[in-house]
Order: sequence, then structure tokens, then C-alpha cells
Amino acid sequence: KNQVEQSPQSLIILEGKNCTLQCNYTVSPFSNLRWYKQDTGRGPVSLTIMTFSENTKSNGRYTATLDADTKQSSLHITASQLSDSASYICVVRRNTGNQFYFGTGTSLTVIP
Amino acid sequence: DSGVTQTPKHLITATGQRVTLRCSPRSGDLSVYWYQQSLDQGLQFLIQYYNGEERAKGNILERFSAQQFPDLHSELNLSSLELGDSALYFCASSVRLAGDGEQYFGPGTRLTVT
Repeated sequence: KNQVEQSPQSLIILEGKNCTLQCNYTVSPFSNLRWYKQDTGRGPVSLTIMTFSENTKSNGRYTATLDADTKQSSLHITASQLSDSASYICVVRRNTGNQFYFGTGTSLTVIP
Repeated sequence: DSGVTQTPKHLITATGQRVTLRCSPRSGDLSVYWYQQSLDQGLQFLIQYYNGEERAKGNILERFSAQQFPDLHSELNLSSLELGDSALYFCASSVRLAGDGEQYFGPGTRLTVT
């Protein structure tokens, strides 16, 4: 079954600290993996898109890693800011039929 | 602002009714995707249109249908509404047919079925 699981479900960190969010998937055949940031009540915003051959991709303070062999990805946030408080969603695209599978997200709260 | 617009922003209707949600993609984008986000299920892919043609189908119920018009705007029609259809409905647009490119999400339509 094609699934995407994220952990932790929620996370609270102090401003300025780093954190890492996890995404495990069973989607096959794999096409790409995306990380989105979603503020409450708003549409998701893309952070990174990674294909099979990419191990690491950065977007400012956000760095995503992908291990296609173990089917795991992580999103590392450096020097967190209050504006990083949001839900972070991992999405995997299946190569067949252009299907997208979403994780349930990690809710991140950054406190001063 | 992603450049994708959705109307209406909020919609409240009763069970059994039919509603139409509208999406205008970014200028130049030919692909439109529809997604449903409910509290218990998270985000789910519903359907994709590219240049007026249906190209991919996800977990879309038979009571739901969509179309993309020659001016590339898209509409999602939801009929025989049930309480469980209450959710945020997002559309996203992309310039590419294949789902390997960036998708830009609209602000969503919040549907409440009472």
C-alpha cells in the first residue's frame, strides 16, 4: 500500500534552535518527494522537490535529505524563527498515473 | 501570493445540496490539480486537468466532478453533499503536464456542510 508517514506529529522548539522532521514512505514506483510548509488556513508552499538521484537540497534555512534506498527523508530547519511555526507536509509522487500521496504533517511551534 | 485564485473563500451549505468551486491558475500554467484537506484525513489528491483534459485521478468520489475550460480556469462540482465533505478544498497549478514540477497552491475554499 502506498503510504507516507511523518514524525513527530507535533514539535515545540525554542526560537533559534534547530530541528529535524522525518518522513518515511512506501510509495512505489517513486518519482519525487516534496516538502511543503502550510500556515494555518492557507495553501501549502513548496520548500523543496527531490528526485531519486538527489540526496540533499537546501532552500535557505531548510535542508531536505533523501535516502531512496531506505525510503526516508528528513527536513532540517536551522536557527528557527517564530515564522517557522506551521505544519510541514511530506508528499511523494508515484511515477505511475501521476498520483500524489501526502503525509499527515508535523505541526511545528516555535516559541520565544 | 501564489497567483492562483479560488472562489468562494467560504461556503456553507446543507446536506444533499450541490456546490461549485472555482479556480483560476497562474498565468501560463496549463495544469490544474484539486486537493481536499479534512481534519481526519489530511490532504488528498482528487484530480488533475491539463489544457482542458483530465489527466490523473486520485481519491475523487463519484459525487464529485471537475472540468477545465478553454480559458484554463477549473471548476470542482460537489453534489449530494454529506457532512463528511466538510473540508478545505485547494487547487494548485503547474506549467507542466507531468507532476514533477512546482505546484502553486491557491488560498483554498472552506466548505462547511450542515
